[in-house]
Amino acid sequence: QKEVEQDPGPLSVPEGAIVSLNCTYSNSAFQYFMWYRQYSRKGPELLMYTYSSGNKEDGRFTAQVDKSSKYISLFIRDSQPSDSATYLCAMSARSGTYKYIFGTGTRLKVLA
Amino acid sequence: ETGVTQTPRHLVMGMTNKKSLKCEQHLGHNAMYWYKQSAKKPLELMFVYNFKEQTENNSVPSRFSPECPNSSHLFLHLHTLQPEDSALYLCASSQGVSSYEQYFGPGTRLTVT
Repeated sequence: QKEVEQDPGPLSVPEGAIVSLNCTYSNSAFQYFMWYRQYSRKGPELLMYTYSSGNKEDGRFTAQVDKSSKYISLFIRDSQPSDSATYLCAMSARSGTYKYIFGTGTRLKVLA
Repeated sequence: ETGVTQTPRHLVMGMTNKKSLKCEQHLGHNAMYWYKQSAKKPLELMFVYNFKEQTENNSVPSRFSPECPNSSHLFLHLHTLQPEDSALYLCASSQGVSSYEQYFGPGTRLTVT
């Protein structure tokens, strides 16, 4: 079993839809979670960083962590064609570390 | 130039060639990283440098040889590669090795023939 599982997609949605991107994980020690966005021909860029369980909101983006289910989500409200990218989740058991375990990424297409 | 830059953006090389990838960061960071990104696989950390000193070699084959002459520049020297080494090689930097926020370059798309 992979430590982090992420559906590769592609996930196609119409403009304005609410998008839900998800990762599941097996290591119950993971406490620090990140979401990266990677546009085609670009490197990943950090979108959200969260600690432990709960929600964190930043503009149209909401990161949600459910540690009891070992499940994290990234919600995108009012999705735009410019949100079309690959979204990577990453997680770690420790703070102050560069050693994050990444998911394989979900490719999202927002259709105009 | 701003952020993290990488050259070349694309590279095709034969298995007997020797080539180098270059990364430069303009952010004043002290830590630099090499990652390998293959299709349908998670991002793999290869090497970590902190203040020019290598602090991590994630069991990378010796045909990959990193070099960090200063905190702003990072190289990855390649020789006798295998076709399975074809991938996107990403460079990243962060303020320090304990910083969770890493800034990635656009990557070098490497094809080994």
